[in-house]
Amino acid sequence: KQEVTQIPAALSVPEGENLVLNCSFTDSAIYNLQWFRQDPGKGLTSLLLIQSSQREQTSGRLNASLDKSSGRSTLYIAASQPGDSTTYLCAVHTGGFKTIFGAGTRLFVKA
Amino acid sequence: DGGITQSPKYLFRKEGQNVTLSCEQNLNHDAMYWYRQDPGQGLRLIYYSQIVNDFQKGDIAEGYSVSREKKESFPLTVTSAQKNPTAFYLCASSMGKGTDTQYFGPGTRLTVL
Repeated sequence: KQEVTQIPAALSVPEGENLVLNCSFTDSAIYNLQWFRQDPGKGLTSLLLIQSSQREQTSGRLNASLDKSSGRSTLYIAASQPGDSTTYLCAVHTGGFKTIFGAGTRLFVKA
Repeated sequence: DGGITQSPKYLFRKEGQNVTLSCEQNLNHDAMYWYRQDPGQGLRLIYYSQIVNDFQKGDIAEGYSVSREKKESFPLTVTSAQKNPTAFYLCASSMGKGTDTQYFGPGTRLTVL
């Protein structure tokens, strides 16, 4: 059974710092992996989607990497800003219509 | 503006009542989903629908029911059989395949009084 874990559960950094969020999954047979952000009391917004054949994807200050063999993905945020303060969720597609979500990492960027 | 709408934003239910959460999309997506989110846990799939008039149970379907009579609409009914319904409910849609990017609505927070 696929399980997705995100550590740490919460993280606080000063503004301007580069940081890495971690996501691990137990079964390497994935179709793709997606990173979302979720503001308090709101829905999810897609940030990056990495296909299983890809190693990384970049969007602006965000870079997501994927290492299927080790069951790990990282989300790198460069030059963090207070607007980056939110919860980041990792989700794994294993095929079909079921997506497995991690519990998220809550990020706080201090101005 | 294309997107997904959910209503109401907040919903209060007395024990023993059924309530229906609305989800509408104008993205022309074939697939729609309902998730439940509890504090400290990942989203869990309740039901999904690949096409009109078809839907499948997810991991936690007990105590819930859905319908898909129109492509744009996928309402979720939380029945009195759901023992712990207080949660945040999220609706999503995707183009067709389950592995396509899912787009989420703003959510409905249900509280049982």
